[in-house]
Amino acid sequence: DAKTTQPNSMESNEEEPVHLPCNHSTISGTDYIHWYRQLPSQGPEYVIHGLTSNVNNRMASLAIAEDRKSSTLILHRATLRDAAVYYCILRRGANAGGTSYGKLTFGQGTILTVHP
Amino acid sequence: GAVVSQHPSRVICKSGTSVKIECRSLDFQATTMFWYRQFPKQSLMLMATSNEGSKATYEQGVEKDKFLINHASLTLSTLTVTSAHPEDSSFYICSARIPDTGFTRPGYTFGSGTRLTVV
Repeated sequence: DAKTTQPNSMESNEEEPVHLPCNHSTISGTDYIHWYRQLPSQGPEYVIHGLTSNVNNRMASLAIAEDRKSSTLILHRATLRDAAVYYCILRRGANAGGTSYGKLTFGQGTILTVHP
Repeated sequence: GAVVSQHPSRVICKSGTSVKIECRSLDFQATTMFWYRQFPKQSLMLMATSNEGSKATYEQGVEKDKFLINHASLTLSTLTVTSAHPEDSSFYICSARIPDTGFTRPGYTFGSGTRLTVV
């Protein structure tokens, strides 16, 4: 499985934007970029995912580099509830002729601290 | 939609006993489920992949006789920790692949986890 590299930790102030980087230089053409976050003592929560183009949803935005070797998760206005561990994960996409979703392999993630 | 219910959320058991953890998909059929283990301040580690009606596929280093996985129906997968020891104390999380996933859906959903403490 292709690996991802994320900073161990980042800090932000409430109401400010947060840019969480992820490097995935060995990404393959069929790998989707997924972001999940995990609060203490809870299961991971889906944030966003993308393949080639930038993506927006109500939680965040995902900016994908043109060569796809890196991506950035953007939280437009951080709140205290956004404090969590954020995981950037590559998921193998569909095989030709059918669907074959790969397993999700978690790296160490980025611990985001949000200051009031 | 696409909710997975995991229980118990917390369990304490005596060393040498077995503990069963259930993971149910509430509003979809989960042909593939995953079981993870997470130690304090560490990331999730995939233990095994289970497919409905077939044997689970275990990751390297995971003892299949100790961590029994049953995925007998499309809505239920169970993980049984047999002859539990204190070192098995951990946070166990299940996940399910969401079928017929369009690009706008996440593809996977996670349970809320089970905190196992073996005393």
